[in-house]
Amino acid sequence: QVQLRESGPGLVKPSETLSLSCSVSDFSISRGYYWGWIRQPPGKGLEWIGGIYHTGDTRYNSSLKSRVTMSVETSRNQFSLKLTSVTAADTAVYYCVRWDYIVPSMREFFDCWGQGTLVTVS
Amino acid sequence: QSVLTQPPSVSAAPGQKVTISCSGSTSNIGNNYFSWYQQLPGTAPKLLIYDNDKRFSGVPDRFSGSKSGTSATLGITGLQSGDEADYYCETWDSSLSAVVFGGGTKLTVL
Repeated sequence: QVQLRESGPGLVKPSETLSLSCSVSDFSISRGYYWGWIRQPPGKGLEWIGGIYHTGDTRYNSSLKSRVTMSVETSRNQFSLKLTSVTAADTAVYYCVRWDYIVPSMREFFDCWGQGTLVTVS
Repeated sequence: QSVLTQPPSVSAAPGQKVTISCSGSTSNIGNNYFSWYQQLPGTAPKLLIYDNDKRFSGVPDRFSGSKSGTSATLGITGLQSGDEADYYCETWDSSLSAVVFGGGTKLTVL
């Protein structure tokens, strides 16, 4: 059964860069699927950040695109998120996910989720 | 303001049926597949329904998905206390070229 686990600092200072990694177990990233990030501010709803394929193809939320970079390390079977110039509005639980995204049918869904990690900007 | 509109809350008694609506447009639900997620308190969301009406592995048949025009509906029958959770609809929006989520609906089992 595929398992995802987020890791990274739980506290980031304003204007600095948020960096998170997601380790994938029991499934090779290179086998396919997109791999993504979703966040949830405390007490609020879900927001899609973006996703990356093992080849490096990326899809980003346009509202965050200027600040987001995703990368994948197939040798370590993990992928990463960087979000620059953070503010208090970026405080959220960040989930890494496996994204079943099939272009061009626009058929997609998130079938595996990490447990989430709270990142506080302060 | 979410692109997809869900009621903030719904409630029903144990054993009853409840439906949760998700209203969108032709750029999202109307022409693309949608999904539903369940988020139990303090946990990560889990996939319930994908491709509009397919139950994900392990999801009981008490949960169902349907579509009418630009609206999606999640149905839950035989309500149990363990169904108390937040439920989110999700789809791709072709105009935004982005994944969009509904604002979430809190289900209370009375």
